[in-house]
Amino acid sequence: EPEVTQTPSHQVTQMGQEVILRCVPISNHLYFYWYRQILGQKVEFLVSFYNNEISEKSEIFDDQFSVERPDGSNFTLKIRSTKLEDSAMYFCASSETRPSYEQYFGPGTRLTVT
Amino acid sequence: AQKVTQAQTEISVVEKEDVTLDCVYETRDTTYYLFWYKQPPSGELVFLIRRNSFDEQNEISGRYSWNFQKSTSSFNFTITASQVVDSAVYFCALSSPKNAGNMLTFGGGTRLMVKP
Repeated sequence: EPEVTQTPSHQVTQMGQEVILRCVPISNHLYFYWYRQILGQKVEFLVSFYNNEISEKSEIFDDQFSVERPDGSNFTLKIRSTKLEDSAMYFCASSETRPSYEQYFGPGTRLTVT
Repeated sequence: AQKVTQAQTEISVVEKEDVTLDCVYETRDTTYYLFWYKQPPSGELVFLIRRNSFDEQNEISGRYSWNFQKSTSSFNFTITASQVVDSAVYFCALSSPKNAGNMLTFGGGTRLMVKP
């Protein structure tokens, strides 16, 4: 069964460093998403991406964040200058189409900023 | 603005008991979609069900059942004859076609612990 994959599973970085989180969505899906979950808290929407552009972003997704689909398979989230409060689990998701089809999530990348 | 509330932060049951996880939502949209996801201890988010706002028929899938009531803005999830493997955090979520980006709004989650 097709699934969303994410690398790395765990990333440790120092404050101020740039990180890139990688995702490979399900191949026939058209919509891609990033969510984050701070430890023990709810899952929060960051950004959605369709047709090579951002369709919606939350207020969390400030200028420090960017997304890209550099080729036909990968979808990346870049944090330019990490802060301690960026420590969280980052989930990538994809969905086949709209309206509001179910989103399938990857296993997550745990980002630890020290 | 949309909001999802899961008032039960933690529930503990003994194996074989039935358990109901509550979900109450708020939205001004007339068309919307409701979801349940399971997050086992391994951390991934597993899709369980999607429901359209115009379909109030209850659904059963094995030991799982869902009760959608628009009159009370609730979408509750019942596990019958719970098993230890059901131990997880369960999230209810909401989305609306009016959101350009199809974002999911999650509730705070309910941690279910099933003891043998």
